[in-house]
This record gives sequence, C-alpha cells and structure tokens, in this order.
Amino acid sequence: AQRVTQPEKLLSVFKGAPVELKCNYSYSGSPELFWYVQYSRQRLQLLLRHISRESIKGFTADLNKGETSFHLKKPFAQEEDSAMYYCALIRIQTGANNLFFGTGTRLTVIP
Amino acid sequence: DSGVTQTPKHLITATGQRVTLRCSPRSGDLSVYWYQQSLDQGLQFLIQYYNGEERAKGNILERFSAQQFPDLHSELNLSSLELGDSALYFCASSVRGITSGTYNEQFFGPGTRLTVL
Repeated sequence: AQRVTQPEKLLSVFKGAPVELKCNYSYSGSPELFWYVQYSRQRLQLLLRHISRESIKGFTADLNKGETSFHLKKPFAQEEDSAMYYCALIRIQTGANNLFFGTGTRLTVIP
Repeated sequence: DSGVTQTPKHLITATGQRVTLRCSPRSGDLSVYWYQQSLDQGLQFLIQYYNGEERAKGNILERFSAQQFPDLHSELNLSSLELGDSALYFCASSVRGITSGTYNEQFFGPGTRLTVL
C-alpha cells in the first residue's frame, strides 16, 4: 500500500525566512511525487513534480529515495506563499493516474 | 470558463437523504476523477472514469456511486447520507486516464461543499 505523510498541519514562518514543508512517502514501487498548492479561494493546482526538477515560484523539491522524502523548500518566504500545500504521489508501475495525497500543511508567512 | 466546473457550490441536506453532485471536465479531457476532502481523512481518491467507463476505484463507500455520460460530464451520487459524509467533494479531469510512464496532469474544479445535518 502507499502512504503520504505530512507531519506538520500548520507551519508559520516570517517573510524572508527559509521554509521547508516536509513530506515522506511509503510505496514499494517507483512513485512519481508532486506538490499541489491551494491558495485562498482558488483551486487546487500543481506546483511542481519531481521529474521536472524545476524551481517554481522559488520552490524546489528533491526526491530522496533513501529517506523516502520529498520535502518542499524555499530560501526566502513571501507573503503570497501563504496557502495549503499537499504532497501527493502516483504509482507509475500500475498505470493508474489517480493521486494519493498527504493531509496537507497550511503555511502562513508572517509579514 | 473552460476549466473544470462543479455544481452546486454548496449543498445542505439531512441524514438519510440522497444527493447528486455534477462535474463537467475541461474541454478535451476524457478522464474524470472524484476526491473527497474531510477534516479527519484529508483528500482521498474515490473513483475515476475514462471516456464513460470506470477506470479506477479508491475508498468509495457502497452508498456512493458515479457515472460518466456520453458528453463526458460526470455525476457522483451519494445516498443514505450520514453526518460523516459532510465534506468538500472535488472533481478533476485529465486528457488521458493512465500515466503512460508519467503523470497525466489533473486539473481540479472548485469543489462542492456538502453539509449533512
């Protein structure tokens, strides 16, 4: 079975401070990992995916297979980063495209 | 709006009742997914349809059912409602229904908030 764990329900940081949102997963096969974000009054949207290895809005996330982690990081938090963040995976080998989500972390950036 | 649409936005009903939630996918998307977001369980996958056929099933209760119509819109039917069914129900759509080696991005609707009293 697969599982995505986000240990922090709430996270507050000051503007300009570094931020790290933690995500750990368990899955016996090869997953594809994502971060989804939901800003206030907006839809859930894809922020980044591990295979693209991009930096989106200053955020990066590296898949660490040894630690089964996919933490989301940003060196300098901005007020507009305040949102709900979800880590998610799909099970590539099964061909299934449905997402398994963590319980989410609400990030608040304090001005 | 060419994005995923969901109706109604809000639904308030009583225990034991039956409701239908509707979802229209993005233009060109053939696959529809339903997710339930509750306070204690987070976002959970319920069911997926692709071009009218059921493709994958998640933690969907027997009291719940769904279908996808020829015009590709989908409906989620919830019956014998219980207090614990109160949640936000999201629909998402994607062009294809399988990963084909990599994720086929899902686009989410705004959700329907169901309150069971």
